[in-house]
Amino acid sequence: KNEVEQSPQNLTAQEGEFITINCSYSVGISALHWLQQHPGGGIVSLFMLSSGKKKHGRLIATINIQEKHSSLHITASHPRDSAVYICAPQTSGSRLTFGEGTQLTVNP
Amino acid sequence: EADIYQTPRYLVIGTGKKITLECSQTMGHDKMYWYQQDPGMELHLIHYSYGVNSTEKGDLSSESTVSRIRTEHFPLTLESARPSHTSQYLCASSESERGNGYTFGSGTRLTVV
Repeated sequence: KNEVEQSPQNLTAQEGEFITINCSYSVGISALHWLQQHPGGGIVSLFMLSSGKKKHGRLIATINIQEKHSSLHITASHPRDSAVYICAPQTSGSRLTFGEGTQLTVNP
Repeated sequence: EADIYQTPRYLVIGTGKKITLECSQTMGHDKMYWYQQDPGMELHLIHYSYGVNSTEKGDLSSESTVSRIRTEHFPLTLESARPSHTSQYLCASSESERGNGYTFGSGTRLTVV
């Protein structure tokens, strides 16, 4: 069993839809990162959170440390949101463990 | 603007050649990392450094080596490239455990023929 499980693996949405990507992990963490990877391969860090909820524009990330679960929400999705979204719990020493990612496609 | 730079962006090289992938950051981060990612697969940590003259192997065994002589520079070297080394290599840095998170480079897509 992987230490990090993301769901769904693939997600297709229509522009404007509300999107949720879930992440469950089994390791002890000091924080959890949500990353975005575009087809060119570059990775952008969206959020780093250790409790509660963070919001940046149309993106919201939540984490429940007791349940070892985090969610990434995208409101009013747009085709430019199409990318792979990766959940990455941070263990001791700042090291990251990566989920397999969720491929999101938003159609106009 | 503070950032992390990787060169080259793409590299096609013959078997047996020695290569060095460059990674530099301008943010003064003490921690730097190299990740390997095959197409459609998750990232795997192959090397990390928590400061000058400190390097450690990561979770995925790799024939590559790294050095950290200066804070801002963390090059990765393959002494003799093989087709099995074909992959994407991503460099990243972070400030501290509870800092502002990670910054990733654009990656080097390596093809060994």
